[in-house]
Amino acid sequence: DAGVIQSPRHEVTEMGQEVTLRCKPISGHNSLFWYRQTMMRGLELLIYFNNNVPIDDSGMPEDRFSAKMPNASFSTLKIQPSEPRDSAVYFCASSPGRDQTEAFFGQGTRLTVV
Amino acid sequence: GQSLEQPSEVTAVEGAIVQINCTYQTSGFYGLSWYQQHDGGAPTFLSYNGLDGLEETGRFSSFLSRSDSYGYLLLQELQMKDSASYFCAVLHQAGTALIFGKGTTLSVSS
Repeated sequence: DAGVIQSPRHEVTEMGQEVTLRCKPISGHNSLFWYRQTMMRGLELLIYFNNNVPIDDSGMPEDRFSAKMPNASFSTLKIQPSEPRDSAVYFCASSPGRDQTEAFFGQGTRLTVV
Repeated sequence: GQSLEQPSEVTAVEGAIVQINCTYQTSGFYGLSWYQQHDGGAPTFLSYNGLDGLEETGRFSSFLSRSDSYGYLLLQELQMKDSASYFCAVLHQAGTALIFGKGTTLSVSS
């Protein structure tokens, strides 16, 4: 398996633009997670899906952020409109069961909003 | 709320043994995990402790004491390639997502 695949790897956008990050989890994994990593705040959970259903979105910072998982092999995280403070590395991870006892992370998307 | 405490930095020399501690305060506890992250890379899974005691995987071991809300990662026979950030992460209940600590940067010198 190729592991968790994220695209793009790098994104530079202007403030106010819409940004869409994409994730393909490992085939057969039931759970998918979006995390954001910054120096100041570390790794923060944004949202968690189980069997394509959002279970916990309490980490989504505000209405500008939205996430979808239309099927078991694809998820998106959208920021609209983007702001400079959204600059971070966004990681997608998947795990085979309901419990995240072992999570597999993608290589991340480095987002820079100027 | 949830909080995890771990040292921000640790330094050691090749061949040495290092212990990275993690204390947690969470509303409920299900298990403790450890992840390694090299600069510019993704976090990768190292170990998981659901029960008290020691789990050993090669040069790395992880320990958990639920009564003390405490765990540690033990790295033996350190190598230069072990220079990375190490994160403890808590599952506070079944069916939830990991909550990560701020990470410990380990620097291994020759």
